[in-house]
Amino acid sequence: AQRVTQPEKLLSVFKGAPVELKCNYSYSGSPELFWYVQYSRQRLQLLLRHISRESIKGFTADLNKGETSFHLKKPFAQEEDSAMYYCALRNRDDKIIFGKGTRLHILP
Amino acid sequence: EAGVTQSPTHLIKTRGQQATLRCSPISGHTSVYWYQQALGLGLQFLLWYDEGEERNRGNFPPRFSGRQFPNYSSELNVNALELEDSALYLCASSWGRNTEAFFGQGTRLTVV
Repeated sequence: AQRVTQPEKLLSVFKGAPVELKCNYSYSGSPELFWYVQYSRQRLQLLLRHISRESIKGFTADLNKGETSFHLKKPFAQEEDSAMYYCALRNRDDKIIFGKGTRLHILP
Repeated sequence: EAGVTQSPTHLIKTRGQQATLRCSPISGHTSVYWYQQALGLGLQFLLWYDEGEERNRGNFPPRFSGRQFPNYSSELNVNALELEDSALYLCASSWGRNTEAFFGQGTRLTVV
């Protein structure tokens, strides 16, 4: 079964502390993985995709095929990072499968 | 450039009625995706249209249906509404395969 699992519904982190949002996937094949973010009262938007191997707003994510994980990391959290984060997988049929999301709350 | 637009922003219906939700993709995008975001369930894939054809469908009953028009805009129809259909319905569009999907603001459907 194709599945994206985000084990944490809510993650609270102090400003300046490191952030790690976990994502595990289940897919037989080479997946394309993404992180989407939804800030308060804004639409869902793409944060980064694994094939780009880029850092956006200080966030990075590395695909670990052995652990089937695509965790999102940032070394120093900022208050503006508070948002809902969704990990997603695009399968070979071009369907994008989302995890249930993790709400990141940055404590001042 | 206008983003993905959805209408209406809010819709209130009674159980058993039908709801029609509309989506206008970004100009030039040919693929439209529909998702249901219900409380506690995250984003659930509903439908994918590309070039006017239904390409893929999620695990939803047949009373969830839709279509894509020649101008690539799309409609989602939900018949025989149930209370559990209350959710935010998101539409996304993309150029096609393997390209970034851009989301609309959503339509919040409330079934009473």
